[in-house]
Amino acid sequence: DAGVTQSPTHLIKTRGQQVTLRCSPKSGHDTVSWYQQALGQGPQFIFQYYEEEERQRGNFPDRFSGHQFPNYSSELNVNALLLGDSALYLCASSKTGLSYEQYFGPGTRLTVT
Amino acid sequence: GEDVEQSLFLSVREGDSSVINCTYTDSSSTYLYWYKQEPGAGLQLLTYIFSNMDMKQDQRLTVLLNKKDKHLSLRIADTQTGDSAIYFCAEILLTFGNEKLTFGTGTRLTIIP
Repeated sequence: DAGVTQSPTHLIKTRGQQVTLRCSPKSGHDTVSWYQQALGQGPQFIFQYYEEEERQRGNFPDRFSGHQFPNYSSELNVNALLLGDSALYLCASSKTGLSYEQYFGPGTRLTVT
Repeated sequence: GEDVEQSLFLSVREGDSSVINCTYTDSSSTYLYWYKQEPGAGLQLLTYIFSNMDMKQDQRLTVLLNKKDKHLSLRIADTQTGDSAIYFCAEILLTFGNEKLTFGTGTRLTIIP
């Protein structure tokens, strides 16, 4: 049983560019949440997707957007990248009704130069 | 509002017990968690406790919850070098439409040989 997978593992972008990160949830899970973890900090909630819609959003600007596909996989898009967007981006999946069990992927390390 | 606090560092001798502490502010928290993060890796769910419980034990791990003081602790018995990591405390409210995890800043556990 594959766990949560994310791609790519690492990414280097330039300020002002756009980036797309991808996540495949654990088998049987239908809800995907995205978190940003800056260096030396705990993860911060970005948003959550369920049934292809954004269900909940944290305190992040509109430059951060997402999408969920019919197979429950998800994308995180960040536009107009800033140096401060450099972080580890973590995806977590869960099953509706069992949202207290969220399993994380290995993350995508984004560096903005 | 939600706020989770942890001490930043803990050093323990190999074979001793480690106790990692956490305080949280939201008395409505439904579940409280401990996650482990090794260098360059994502988050591994270690254990969680429902807010109506006082204690949960799972092999070498013991979680204690003091709801009155809003204090959560994780005890690792017989600490090994493989336990070196950052440990995050987290809470979730699980009210409708609000299923995000709120994390502390993490405690870095160092094992002394």
